[in-house]
Amino acid sequence: SQTIHQWPATLVQPVGSPLSLECTVEGTSNPNLYWYRQAAGRGLQLLFYSVGIGQISSEVPQNLSASRPQDRQFILSSKKLLLSDSGFYLCAWSESSGGPQYFGPGTRLTVT
Amino acid sequence: RKEVEQDPGPFNVPEGATVAFNCTYSNSASQSFFWYRQDCRKEPKLLMSVYSSGNEDGRFTAQLNRASQYISLLIRDSKLSDSATYLCVVLRGSYIPTFGRGTSLIVHP
Repeated sequence: SQTIHQWPATLVQPVGSPLSLECTVEGTSNPNLYWYRQAAGRGLQLLFYSVGIGQISSEVPQNLSASRPQDRQFILSSKKLLLSDSGFYLCAWSESSGGPQYFGPGTRLTVT
Repeated sequence: RKEVEQDPGPFNVPEGATVAFNCTYSNSASQSFFWYRQDCRKEPKLLMSVYSSGNEDGRFTAQLNRASQYISLLIRDSKLSDSATYLCVVLRGSYIPTFGRGTSLIVHP
């Protein structure tokens, strides 16, 4: 069966510091991968998605970036965090043919 | 008009009640539809897919109305454990999702 891992579970970072969040999927190949952010009390905002290694599409322009160095690895990065980057970051995967998404446990980021 | 709209609620119902949520979408070319459940401070979890013919899973029934561009979720015999936020998701193309902001359900004794 497929599993999705995200780490860390929680993170507190100062403004201006860099960020790297990692997500890996097991038990499937060539998945579609997604990064979302959910601000407190808000809906899910799609940040990036990827349909293959090295292929990244951005939905919202901001100071974040994403990379997919391996088939089942998706990384979310920032060079300098802003206060507004605080939120719940969720990674998800779906089959390459489409269909429902399955989420990782998320990373709760607080920028101070 | 937002791509996907949901009544945020909260819907406050007693145990055993039947409750229904609707979700409207604006893109008539949308192809796939899903309901998710999200508990407080947790990740969303797939509840069920929504098929054109409608589908049922235990106490949960999902329906799609393409003419009026909405999907619905019906929960029968509500349990305390059904308290959560219910998110509808619409796929444009085969893999680009749009999530609604969710409907909050509170089931009380």
